[in-house]
Amino acid sequence: AQSVTQPDIHITVSEGASLELRCNYSYGATPYLFWYVQSPGQGLQLLLKYFSGDTLVQGIKGFEAEFKRSQSSFNLRKPSVHWSDAAEYFCAVGASSGGSYIPTFGRGTSLIVHP
Amino acid sequence: GAVVSQHPSRVICKSGTSVKIECRSLDFQATTMFWYRQFPKQSLMLMATSNEGSKATYEQGVEKDKFLINHASLTLSTLTVTSAHPEDSSFYICSARDKEFEKLFFGSGTQLSVL
Repeated sequence: AQSVTQPDIHITVSEGASLELRCNYSYGATPYLFWYVQSPGQGLQLLLKYFSGDTLVQGIKGFEAEFKRSQSSFNLRKPSVHWSDAAEYFCAVGASSGGSYIPTFGRGTSLIVHP
Repeated sequence: GAVVSQHPSRVICKSGTSVKIECRSLDFQATTMFWYRQFPKQSLMLMATSNEGSKATYEQGVEKDKFLINHASLTLSTLTVTSAHPEDSSFYICSARDKEFEKLFFGSGTQLSVL
């Protein structure tokens, strides 16, 4: 079965600083990987996804993530954080099921942005 | 872009009553919908997967008689929490997958509070 580990419960950065959120996964084959963002009391919005191809994936809102098979990682990065980026971030891995996938989520990392 | 509408966004009910939550895909056909439960500061836990026209598949530990799921059409799935108790209080999120399997969209969630 697949699993996702987000080792950091909270991350605090200053506005304008760079950001990296860690994600490690466990899955026997090439996974489908995702990053979602959740604002308080809201659903999830997809930031980016990796299925195959280029291991550096560009997403919305200036985010990117890099798939590193050797490290089983899919870390999320942003070069300059804005105060509006403060939210909960979830990494997810999708196990294929009959040509489709069912995502499993990590526990999330709460991003706090200081002015 | 594709939108998933989840209603109601918030509901407060008395213990012992039943509550129905609706999840609609507004501009695409969702052959599969997922229902998640999220506790404060926790990840999303998959409760069940529903496919249009067939019975839902429940995750281990989820009571199917308590959490009734109906996916009667390609655009609507409902979750009914029967005989709700305070321990059922939680944030419930649905997601819908369109026929292009890599696209998964989330509703904005329903905060259920059982008194």
